[in-house]
Amino acid sequence: GAGVSQTPSNKVTEKGKYVELRCDPISGHTALYWYRQSLGQGPEFLIYFQGTGAADDSGLPNDRFFAVRPEGSVSTLKIQRTERGDSAVYLCASSLTGASGEQFFGPGTRLTVL
Amino acid sequence: AQSVAQPEDQVNVAEGNPLTVKCTYSVSGNPYLFWYVQYPNRGLQFLLKYITGDNLVKGSYGFEAEFNKSQTSFHLKKPSALVSDSALYFCAPLAGNNRKLIWGLGTSLAVNP
Repeated sequence: GAGVSQTPSNKVTEKGKYVELRCDPISGHTALYWYRQSLGQGPEFLIYFQGTGAADDSGLPNDRFFAVRPEGSVSTLKIQRTERGDSAVYLCASSLTGASGEQFFGPGTRLTVL
Repeated sequence: AQSVAQPEDQVNVAEGNPLTVKCTYSVSGNPYLFWYVQYPNRGLQFLLKYITGDNLVKGSYGFEAEFNKSQTSFHLKKPSALVSDSALYFCAPLAGNNRKLIWGLGTSLAVNP
């Protein structure tokens, strides 16, 4: 497809479980971003990749959150020992260079932690 | 601290009337400025951006925005609103060298038929 895709679209899990959220960016985009958005809020920055490396992970809330992008394309956001407060829509975006270019967003993964 | 403000939580306008969604920012240096729109149950979509040059920027769906450096504002405008423009609008400056967009709470636009 031409756009950013994210899987799954919805994920329901129990408190304490481990989850993985996947992002498939637009082909050729070197920059990839993860955000999360709670109801009534704007997106909250989590992490930014330039290629395979995390250029800025200052938004990750704690060490339960981790993200990888091993081949510079697909990225996985991993959350350990999920808590109810992790419930949100997790958004992925990609950008051609990450400089002045616009970010293209995926539809998001709605995570619900029971 | 770098920030963005959209002073109106909600804007209501009648179809066919002009609309304005306000944005002011506090960012060091010369910022890159973006507007995004979020339709219900859909992802964020890029509308337009200001990098440099002409202060009036034209974007998607007939929207435009005016950059005002002295007032540090970047208001979104459209001459004639459509019901289908009803959505959540975010103004997002790109902060400095760390390439992070700064997000506020957005403005909910309701266009009434």
